[in-house]
Amino acid sequence: DAKTTQPPSMDCAEGRAANLPCNHSTISGNEYVYWYRQIHSQGPQYIIHGLKNNETNEMASLIITEDRKSSTLILPHATLRDTAVYYCIVRVVFGNNNDMRFGAGTRLTVKP
Amino acid sequence: SAVISQKPSRDICQRGTSLTIQCQVDSQVTMMFWYRQQPGQSLTLIATANQGSEATYESGFVIDKFPISRPNLTFSTLTVSNMSPEDSSIYLCSVEGVFNNEQFFGPGTRLTVL
Repeated sequence: DAKTTQPPSMDCAEGRAANLPCNHSTISGNEYVYWYRQIHSQGPQYIIHGLKNNETNEMASLIITEDRKSSTLILPHATLRDTAVYYCIVRVVFGNNNDMRFGAGTRLTVKP
Repeated sequence: SAVISQKPSRDICQRGTSLTIQCQVDSQVTMMFWYRQQPGQSLTLIATANQGSEATYESGFVIDKFPISRPNLTFSTLTVSNMSPEDSSIYLCSVEGVFNNEQFFGPGTRLTVL
């Protein structure tokens, strides 16, 4: 079962920052926070992941609270092509039990 | 990153038949995963397939219904057996990246059972 809670949907204006929240209050010390997105009819695409420090790459930023019970994915300048379902996932990275468990995700709609 | 291809990309099948889905990766990977995504739903893990050992199935999925082969480090197949309309879904394979602990997903196989 997924260990995360996300709002089912969000809207964002094109060019503005999209901030997608995720609650993972039962996260364990050895679990990372991963974000993926799925554009209609395609396989999920990796965005970013982190353990406890904030992370940034060319796609997005990941802000993890100090207690690690929640995080926010930030798309700094959303475009229409960012319209997708965004999944927040917690998983163990090392060891034998590191499969990916998907929740319902947040459907982000970027509007012109 | 790993490049993953799946065959077929889509198929329409009759009730009671079986379909084998192929997953090919452009590099050697230890862990491969098979997921199902029913219409309008999120992804559900079917099984984990490691080379050289039997696949490990999640609760609600059994080997007789979803037999999996993993003959080498770049290839796996998932068979959907004795299909019914409830098996209509997108089936996706994924692999664990070597260096960045990412999981890469294939494009999926869209199955419709009539």
